[in-house]
Amino acid sequence: DAGITQSPRHKVTETGTPVTLRCHQTENHRYMYWYRQDPGHGLRLIHYSYGVKDTDKGEVSDGYSVSRSKTEDFLLTLESATSSQTSVYFCAISSSGGSSYNEQFFGPGTRLTVL
Amino acid sequence: AQSVSQHNHHVILSEAASLELGCNYSYGGTVNLFWYVQYPGQHLQLLLKYFSGDPLVKGIKGFEAEFIKSKFSFNLRKPSVQWSDTAEYFCAVNKGRSQGNLIFGKGTKLSVKP
Repeated sequence: DAGITQSPRHKVTETGTPVTLRCHQTENHRYMYWYRQDPGHGLRLIHYSYGVKDTDKGEVSDGYSVSRSKTEDFLLTLESATSSQTSVYFCAISSSGGSSYNEQFFGPGTRLTVL
Repeated sequence: AQSVSQHNHHVILSEAASLELGCNYSYGGTVNLFWYVQYPGQHLQLLLKYFSGDPLVKGIKGFEAEFIKSKFSFNLRKPSVQWSDTAEYFCAVNKGRSQGNLIFGKGTKLSVKP
């Protein structure tokens, strides 16, 4: 498995509180992604990064922000969590070249519950 | 907007039955195509991918998929399923060499009865 860790793995929080999820990789891959997975919706891209300090919005970016100050870390922040953000969040990485170009490798996921 | 359609929400098969899961996409240009599998409680793992060349792609665990450009399809097949294939399967499409634009289908849950 690709060296991707996510923390925390589980979190329960209350509406209105800020939450930060962390994705850490040891593969030195250029691209990193945050998805959310919800029943009946598959995976939907929240934000992605194509380098340190370079990020862009995905399909469902409202209510989320991201930061990437180092190649290995990609943070996802919910500034004020809402119940609609209860989901499983997956981080993914991909390289900019080589045999696995354009293939995304996924982390173990974070299950977030907003009460 | 670009989309990926997986025709079956839930498929139930007996062991040794043959499997075919449909996937159609709406983008007309060059695409990269993927099938991912998610076993219960786990993260997504790549089954197989198509970038170019032979449209019949073989992946891990006996899975294969055929890219039919004229039909905008990339169906997943396995001649004989096992109980351990019980999982959710996701088709995904990426436009050409564009990173950051992997569009997933909504998934097909496969249940294999022993």
